[in-house]
Amino acid sequence: SAVISQKPSRDICQRGTSLTIQCQVDSQVTMMFWYRQQPGQSLTLIATANQGSEATYESGFVIDKFPISRPNLTFSTLTVSNMSPEDSSIYLCSVKTVGTEAFFGQGTRLTVV
Amino acid sequence: QKEVEQDPGPLSVPEGAIVSLNCTYSNSAFQYFMWYRQYSRKGPELLMYTYSSGNKEDGRFTAQVDKSSKYISLFIRDSQPSDSATYLCAMSERDNYGQNFVFGPGTRLSVLP
Repeated sequence: SAVISQKPSRDICQRGTSLTIQCQVDSQVTMMFWYRQQPGQSLTLIATANQGSEATYESGFVIDKFPISRPNLTFSTLTVSNMSPEDSSIYLCSVKTVGTEAFFGQGTRLTVV
Repeated sequence: QKEVEQDPGPLSVPEGAIVSLNCTYSNSAFQYFMWYRQYSRKGPELLMYTYSSGNKEDGRFTAQVDKSSKYISLFIRDSQPSDSATYLCAMSERDNYGQNFVFGPGTRLSVLP
């Protein structure tokens, strides 16, 4: 199984600012993903982080708002830009290799005030 | 109609009870079905992973898939207070590159000692 370290675990941020969330995996993985989990709602996929190229975003999510980096096979960052209270949520990093289950980090609980 | 529906609960049961958690879905192309358990302030962890219709048992947990009815279930026997968590169903059409999971909103379960 993969061990995922996600930082920070929680943060309270002022509106209009940006927060970068880090995801570190203890082994090389094929795929890395970023999810949002809003209170009482399903996990929603934001984007797939691609090594060395631009992330692939799902409908409703754009690069200007959620820039993502993946410089290597074990690390990725998600930035939540120009935050508003509507961005308050839990953000989760997930990793997967073909034929295996998906593993999740413990999540980053973001509150925007 | 949402693609995956799940009773949000909360569901409270006494210790030792048999718990039944259920999801319905609308996409007949789903073939892979998963149940995740998420403790408070933690990321989801995979409990069961099944392909197509049928039953799968792992200790106190049994996953059941009925593709004809587009209905999946997770049964927990001899429930314990440590089973108190949110249970998320997830499903996908294929298991290859890309994370095309669709998650249910989750059912909060409390097992009372």
